[in-house]
Amino acid sequence: NAGVMQNPRHLVRRRGQEARLRCSPMKGHSHVYWYRQLPEEGLKFMVYLQKENIIDESGMPKERFSAEFPKEGPSILRIQQVVRGDSAAYFCASSWASGTDTQYFGPGTRLTVL
Amino acid sequence: SQQGEEDPQALSIQEGENATMNCSYKTSINNLQWYRQNSGRGLVHLILIRSNEREKHSGRLRVTLDTSKKSSSLLITASRAADTASYFCATDGNQGGKLIFGQGTELSVKP
Repeated sequence: NAGVMQNPRHLVRRRGQEARLRCSPMKGHSHVYWYRQLPEEGLKFMVYLQKENIIDESGMPKERFSAEFPKEGPSILRIQQVVRGDSAAYFCASSWASGTDTQYFGPGTRLTVL
Repeated sequence: SQQGEEDPQALSIQEGENATMNCSYKTSINNLQWYRQNSGRGLVHLILIRSNEREKHSGRLRVTLDTSKKSSSLLITASRAADTASYFCATDGNQGGKLIFGQGTELSVKP
């Protein structure tokens, strides 16, 4: 059973470009979470999605960031018009159930904005 | 404000010694999870302890939870150089879904 898959593992963008990060949850998991980790810091929650629904986006910046988890295919975290401050590691996690269930993390996408 | 705060921030020990890391949190929780992160890598889930549990074991790991003090500890016995990593506690904050992470404890085990 493959774990959580994320791609790309490394992404370099210039200021103003768009970044698109993908996450495929573990087989059988329908709950996906995105977290961001700045250098030397812990992870910060961004958004929680179930298939076709955003459940909690309280950690998402109000502008330029969006997330989706369509009925078919991976979850996508999209960052428009990237700025240097968006440089970070972005981790996706999935769980079988919500709330009290274990979250399993992917290897992360390291975004560098030049 | 941070839900989870780990203590100490950094810990350096010799191989074979035990390592104890502590985590404090602020609000009520359903569960608390411990994760390990090797430098530049993803998070590996170590153990989940529920609010109605007081202690849990997994191999060389022992986790305790004291909900009255809003604190947890992770003990790694007979440490190995391969245990060198950052360790994070994460709580659900009784909100369901999102995890709230502390800043982590950086453990260095010297051979």
